Amino acid sequence: NAGVTQTPKFQVLKTGQSMTLQCAQDMNHEYMSWYRQDPGMGLRLIHYSVGAGITDQGEVPNGYNVSRSTTEDFPLRLLSAAPSQTSVYFCASSYGTGGNTEAFFGQGTRLTVV
Amino acid sequence: GENVEQHPSTLSVQEGDSAVIKCTYSDSASNYFPWYKQELGKRPQLIIDIRSNVGEKKDQRIAVTLNKTAKHFSLHITETQPEDSAVYFCAARTGGGYNKLIFGAGTRLAVHP
Repeated sequence: NAGVTQTPKFQVLKTGQSMTLQCAQDMNHEYMSWYRQDPGMGLRLIHYSVGAGITDQGEVPNGYNVSRSTTEDFPLRLLSAAPSQTSVYFCASSYGTGGNTEAFFGQGTRLTVV
Repeated sequence: GENVEQHPSTLSVQEGDSAVIKCTYSDSASNYFPWYKQELGKRPQLIIDIRSNVGEKKDQRIAVTLNKTAKHFSLHITETQPEDSAVYFCAARTGGGYNKLIFGAGTRLAVHP
């Protein structure tokens, strides 16, 4: 049972490049989400998904796309990277709204856009 | 939109003292309030949570209180130890039937021996 796995752990991109941050969970969680963490700003919600085929925008969705084709995977795409997207990205997963709603986080991806 | 404010942003205490972190939320439909601890370079991990039908919850040296009328909740750590040093985040699950968490900006707690 690996929990929530993110790849890569570190990435450097040039402005304008595209890339996909991968997130996978093996806990059969319905709910998955992406956050970015910047100094002094906490964890801000980018996009979330309540199940396969269903996604929605969070607090800071601009510049990011997501899809959810399976329960296990929830990739985050940067179509044209900008320096403002330099951040640490965390994926999280949980059950829906039942008794156990603890959100489990991946180990994070540190992204630098130059 | 939904918003969670957290204070203070930094907190410095002596070992053995108590620490209190406070949060307020904007969505009156919020019904679940977790607290996460993040050590340097690590992922956030849940330390305690409280639901809207409960006013207080304790787990050893940590406790959380909730005031639904005022829309605020607090984390209390007693007998602090150096290993409590970390960044603490509060969060509120918004209304709407899914586990959508909005986080506060975090509190950096330093416990000095």
